[in-house]
Amino acid sequence: NAGVTQTPKFQVLKTGQSMTLQCAQDMNHEYMSWYRQDPGMGLRLIHYSVGAGITDQGEVPNGYNVSRSTTEDFPLRLLSAAPSQTSVYFCASSYSKFSVGKEQYFGPGTRLTVT
Amino acid sequence: DAKTTQPPSMDCAEGRAANLPCNHSTISGNEYVYWYRQIHSQGPQYIIHGLKNNETNEMASLIITEDRKSSTLILPHATLRDTAVYYCIVRVGGGSEKLVFGKGTKLTVNP
Repeated sequence: NAGVTQTPKFQVLKTGQSMTLQCAQDMNHEYMSWYRQDPGMGLRLIHYSVGAGITDQGEVPNGYNVSRSTTEDFPLRLLSAAPSQTSVYFCASSYSKFSVGKEQYFGPGTRLTVT
Repeated sequence: DAKTTQPPSMDCAEGRAANLPCNHSTISGNEYVYWYRQIHSQGPQYIIHGLKNNETNEMASLIITEDRKSSTLILPHATLRDTAVYYCIVRVGGGSEKLVFGKGTKLTVNP
């Protein structure tokens, strides 16, 4: 298994540009989520999904859209990038919302800079 | 989910045990204690979790007080590769997978 993969690893955008951060997992996990991490801070939840076709907002959802058309993929879209979205983005997955005690697996991260 | 309090930083000598404390005084009866760590620039890594009883796995031990208001993560023989930020998280099991990360404890293992 490749685990949780994220592409790209690095990205530079100009203000107002749009892009999609890709996240995929090959573990048949139902739950997937996106976090952002800013310098000196812990991770903050952006959006999450408990299964294909179901998404919900996390702590900091503004400026981001998500969709979950398949179990494997959970892309994060920035419609109009802003400098405040400069951050490191992590995708995570875990088995099931009903799986007590199951750990989450994190991807390697995407480092995004918006100028 | 209950909030947690951790010291911002700790140091430990290589080969010695590292004991990382966490306070979670408002923890509910159905909330688990989870520990993750994040080595520089990498994604967080799961370490261990527990509800009431002490737990041990190949990476660490988790000691939870009887009143469950605090816990300690123990790395029995710390190595330089254990230098990382350690996050203590409490969350409800079996209903929500959302993890709420605080700022964690930066553990530095010194040679």
